Amino acid sequence: AQSVTQLDSQVPVFEEAPVELRCNYSSSVSVYLFWYVQYPNQGLQLLLKYLSGSTLVESINGFEAEFNKSQTSFHLRKPSVHISDTAEYFCAVIHNQAGTALIFGKGTTLSVSS
Amino acid sequence: EAQVTQNPRYLITVTGKKLTVTCSQNMNHEYMSWYRQDPGLGLRQIYYSMNVEVTDKGDVPEGYKVSRKEKRNFPLILESPSPNQTSLYFCASMQRESPYEQYFGPGTRLTVT
Repeated sequence: AQSVTQLDSQVPVFEEAPVELRCNYSSSVSVYLFWYVQYPNQGLQLLLKYLSGSTLVESINGFEAEFNKSQTSFHLRKPSVHISDTAEYFCAVIHNQAGTALIFGKGTTLSVSS
Repeated sequence: EAQVTQNPRYLITVTGKKLTVTCSQNMNHEYMSWYRQDPGLGLRQIYYSMNVEVTDKGDVPEGYKVSRKEKRNFPLILESPSPNQTSLYFCASMQRESPYEQYFGPGTRLTVT
């Protein structure tokens, strides 16, 4: 069975500091991996995804994530965060053969302060 | 504009009073799903549907019903709501092929007293 573990429930950082949100998954087959972001009082939006090819994927707002098959990880990073990055971040995995449900981690709350 | 809509956005009700939360998507997606979001638990899937007239239980289906009579609509029904169903509910839809991106509705905040 697949599962997703987000290792930190809350990550407080100062503005312009680097940040890493950690995600590990377990699966017996190849997977597709996603990071979703939920800004306060809003729904979820796709931030970035790994389907195949380059293991380093980037978003338009400066986040990047690296798929590491040997460590079964998909950590999210940003070299310099902004106040506006304050949100809850969810790592998710989907089984790419059966097309079954998207399985979410429990989320990491990123709080950026000045 | 491609979107998933949910109604109502906010609902306060009493125990036992049947309610329906509607979900509609305009992207011709085959796959639709309902999730509930609770603090510290993340998102948990309630039910999903791979296509019209095909529905399956997710991780937390107890106390909920769904139907998929049309491709665009996927209502969530609570026949006898209880306080433990107080939560934030999200509907999502997706095309059943790469890139497997789920599009989420804005959420429905339900309070059962």
